[in-house]
This record gives sequence, C-alpha cells and structure tokens, in this order.
Amino acid sequence: IAGITQAPTSQILAAGRRMTLRCTQDMRHNAMYWYRQDLGLGLRLIHYSNTAGTTGKGEVPDGYSVSRANTDDFPLTLASAVPSQTSVYFCASSVEDSSTDTQYFGPGTRLTVL
Amino acid sequence: GQNIDQPTEMTATEGAIVQINCTYQTSGFNGLFWYQQHAGEAPTFLSYNVLDGLEEKGRFSSFLSRSKGYSYLLLKELQMKDSASYLCAIMDSNYQLIWGAGTKLIIKP
Repeated sequence: IAGITQAPTSQILAAGRRMTLRCTQDMRHNAMYWYRQDLGLGLRLIHYSNTAGTTGKGEVPDGYSVSRANTDDFPLTLASAVPSQTSVYFCASSVEDSSTDTQYFGPGTRLTVL
Repeated sequence: GQNIDQPTEMTATEGAIVQINCTYQTSGFNGLFWYQQHAGEAPTFLSYNVLDGLEEKGRFSSFLSRSKGYSYLLLKELQMKDSASYLCAIMDSNYQLIWGAGTKLIIKP
C-alpha cells in the first residue's frame, strides 16, 4: 500500500508557465487537502475536497485551482506561476473532513518559480 | 483572529526529557494535534487531544488545557532520531486544521 503519492518530487518552473501537481491516494479516504509550507510559517491550506465532485477554498487559494473527479486523485494547478508560489506543497487525506480524523501526508513537491 | 505560538527552536540532550509548548487562540476548537516532521519529509501524526488532561503514548505524552489555550508535548528518553520539527495544529470550528510554525528540536549527544 503506497498511501499518498505526489509527483513530481521537485520542479523548477519559469514564471508564467502552467503547472499541475499530482496527488493520488489508495486509502479510499473521502477528504483531501493541499497545503503549502514556507520557512517560518505554518502549513497553510490552499484547497480541500470533502468528497469526490466537491472542492472548497482554504486560507490561500488565489492563483491555484483543484479538481476532484474521483476519490483517489486531487490535482493542484497553477494557471500562471509566479515567484511567490515557490514553496513545498503537501497533499494530505483523511477518512472524513467533518470529524477530527487524522490527516495523512504525501511526501511533498518542492516547487521553485523563477 | 487565529494564532498558534510555539518556540522556534529548542535544544536537548540525548536521554533527557524535553517539553514543547503550544499556546493558541482560534475560532472554535475541535481538538489539538501534534505532528512530527523530519527535515525534507512529510509531517506524521503523533497525538490528538480534545479533552483536558494528559495522553500518554510510549515515550511521547501530550497535555491539553482548553481553558488556558495551552498544550505541551513531552518527549522522554530522547534519542538522536527525535531531532525533527514538532508541529502543533488546532482543528477549528470549520473542521480545518490551523497550524503553528513548528518547533525545531535539536538533540545533542
């Protein structure tokens, strides 16, 4: 069982380019999340999904979009990357979102926007 | 507003005990989580408290006082592998996690 996988592991991207970060889980969890982690700051929620077919905005959604076509996949798209989006991006999942279920994290994607 | 405070960095000696504090002010409270994050890796779950008191799990214990907006993580018999960042997170009234910036724990032999 892989748990949560993310791709790519790292990426250097030119400003203005479009980029999709992939996230797949095999735990049949209903809820999925995208966070960014920046030095000196806590993890910040970008977007989340309570269940397949639904998505919601987190604390820092601007410049990002997500989709949840099925239970397993939750891709994050940067339509036109900017240097301030340089960060480490973590995908996470939990059984449900409306309880206090533990969130399980993927290994992260380190993104640099130049 | 929402605020979670943790010390930025702490140093302790192998074999000793260390206490990492977390104070919080959030809109609603549905539990407090502690996660461990080794450098370059993903956060992993350590503990969850929703009621006041101490939860013990092996060498790690976590304490919560809801009235004081305060928690601590206690690590006993420190090992070199405990060198990591420890993240405090609160589940708010919308069932979203609000994260502290984390405490980097350095273990010295």
